[in-house]
Amino acid sequence: GAGVSQTPSNKVTEKGKYVELRCDPISGHTALYWYRQSLGQGPEFLIYFQGTGAADDSGLPNDRFFAVRPEGSVSTLKIQRTERGDSAVYLCASSFGGPAYNEQFFGPGTRLTVL
Amino acid sequence: KQEVTQIPAALSVPEGENLVLNCSFTDSAIYNLQWFRQDPGKGLTSLLLIQSSQREQTSGRLNASLDKSSGRSTLYIAASQPGDSATYLCAVSRNRDDKIIFGKGTRLHILP
Repeated sequence: GAGVSQTPSNKVTEKGKYVELRCDPISGHTALYWYRQSLGQGPEFLIYFQGTGAADDSGLPNDRFFAVRPEGSVSTLKIQRTERGDSAVYLCASSFGGPAYNEQFFGPGTRLTVL
Repeated sequence: KQEVTQIPAALSVPEGENLVLNCSFTDSAIYNLQWFRQDPGKGLTSLLLIQSSQREQTSGRLNASLDKSSGRSTLYIAASQPGDSATYLCAVSRNRDDKIIFGKGTRLHILP
């Protein structure tokens, strides 16, 4: 497909478990972003990659959250020792360049539920 | 710290009416402002982007204005249709390489 895809679409896990969320950006897009959206809130920035490196990870809430983009395409958001407060929709977006200058294209999100 | 506020949080209007959604931001030193649309269970779609030097942008029945000095933007939707029902989000950025900060959105319901 031509858009940003995210897998899984839904993930239910137990408190304390480890989860990985995957994002496939639009082919050719150099920038990739992760956001977290809680119910009734706007998306909250987590991290932004330019190529393989994290250009801004200031939004990661703590060291349980980590993201990688080893080949500059697919990215994985990793959450260790999940907590109930981590329950949210995790959105991924991609663009050709920087976050404000170029239009970001969003995926449908992964709904994470921590029991 | 930049904060973005959207009023109202929810709005229901009859089909065919014109309507205005409001967005305010606390730090007027922005690079640009964007309006997005989000449908339930789906990602965001960019509607309009206004650079800090611009006063407004138009796309079809949508018109977005920006008053940077007062920290306000409005999204005007003309001749509303049931298909316009969605959540509308406003977002700002400080510079071209900076993250974008979102408001909580306005949930719009157009009554057929």
